[in-house]
Amino acid sequence: GDSVTQMEGPVTLSEEAFLTINCTYTATGYPSLFWYVQYPGEGLQLLLKATKADDKGSNKGFEATYRKETTSFHLEKGSVQVSDSAVYFCALQNSGGSNYKLTFGKGTLLTVNP
Amino acid sequence: DTGVSQDPRHKITKRGQNVTFRCDPISEHNRLYWYRQTLGQGPEFLTYFQNEAQLEKSRLLSDRFSAERPKGSFSTLEIQRTEQGDSAMYLCASSLAQGPNQPQHFGDGTRLSIL
Repeated sequence: GDSVTQMEGPVTLSEEAFLTINCTYTATGYPSLFWYVQYPGEGLQLLLKATKADDKGSNKGFEATYRKETTSFHLEKGSVQVSDSAVYFCALQNSGGSNYKLTFGKGTLLTVNP
Repeated sequence: DTGVSQDPRHKITKRGQNVTFRCDPISEHNRLYWYRQTLGQGPEFLTYFQNEAQLEKSRLLSDRFSAERPKGSFSTLEIQRTEQGDSAMYLCASSLAQGPNQPQHFGDGTRLSIL
């Protein structure tokens, strides 16, 4: 079945540091890939998405590139801020299925210190 | 666009009681999903509606769980005879039905605690 593996956290960085959160996936067919962010006490917010190989999703300074050859969708940001502290989830949606459900990784907690 | 709304935000109940949660999706969204999230884990799919039709249920959805979307708008998720293991965050999401790549928009969830 489909699965998503994220790097384990927690990740602690200083403000303005470079961020990478690794994500790899296993899926049949050609899934769409997503990063969601969850702030404390809130639901998930879509951060960015990519729907086909070599697509780059970007939003709020975050980027991720759909790499089919390595089945990866790593999240990067050049300079993190304290306000980026949250839990980040990588997810896939398998277009070969009929229900369009999301399959999530376990999440990576990011803490950014001033 | 008022977003996905879930009610209540928190529910504390004794083991063995029944609970019901409500989800109001974004108004023009005809796909609606329920997920369950336990501490330190990502959300796990429970069930999916397109309009009023429940099209798929996960094996996680035991016979104590039932979900409805009677008029294709809001949805309810009921858990009967709650158990300790039901303690989790229950998330609702909705999306448009135009093609496979529509992003899902999540509510803030209902946190269930079983005493």
